Amino acid sequence: DTAVSQTPKYLVTQMGNDKSIKCEQNLGHDTMYWYKQDSKKFLKIMFSYNNKELIINETVPNRFSPKSPDKAHLNLHINSLELGDSAVYFCASSQTGLAGAGELFFGEGSRLTVL
Amino acid sequence: AQSVTQLDSHVSVSEGTPVLLRCNYSSSYSPSLFWYVQHPNKGLQLLLKYTSAATLVKGINGFEAEFKKSETSFHLTKPSAHMSDAAEYFCVVSDGASKIIFGSGTRLSIRP
Repeated sequence: DTAVSQTPKYLVTQMGNDKSIKCEQNLGHDTMYWYKQDSKKFLKIMFSYNNKELIINETVPNRFSPKSPDKAHLNLHINSLELGDSAVYFCASSQTGLAGAGELFFGEGSRLTVL
Repeated sequence: AQSVTQLDSHVSVSEGTPVLLRCNYSSSYSPSLFWYVQHPNKGLQLLLKYTSAATLVKGINGFEAEFKKSETSFHLTKPSAHMSDAAEYFCVVSDGASKIIFGSGTRLSIRP
């Protein structure tokens, strides 16, 4: 059983298109995240949801819109894709109150390529 | 404010020799510290964590790290490198609530 699963794993699309990435976790965690990893492996937090409520919203263009229908799902929708959006997007989850909120469980990533 | 610095962007060692990946942190209070590993085309996996218990922390795959408050360091070590250890390693500091800071990563290469 995959703990944190993301779909699709690979996404190739044209500039200007709109695309979504889905994430689901079956760990019973109450917090979920989206991270962006650039070509130099640098990881940047984008969003965090706790029990379906947005708690972290870093400086991200408003073309990016997260949606959490329930605490097990966190989807990422991107409008009007740009070349600079090409990256690997990671979904992660954690349980609030665990010794250290840095104990994250990651999906395998979704590699987005914008042409 | 919190921050984390990984002192080496790339470390290369021979198989069977020791590994040392360096991490310094800055925190206004007692932090939680973590090391994560990312193998090629994979997600990140927790290697080990420090949360104010024992200062020497043992993790998976023979890795360990020592929390040194006086040096504000949390270096990752392994006595004998294996080819399968080749990966990207991230040091992470957390305030125990919602603030999680990732280091810039260290790429570990293993020479046969």
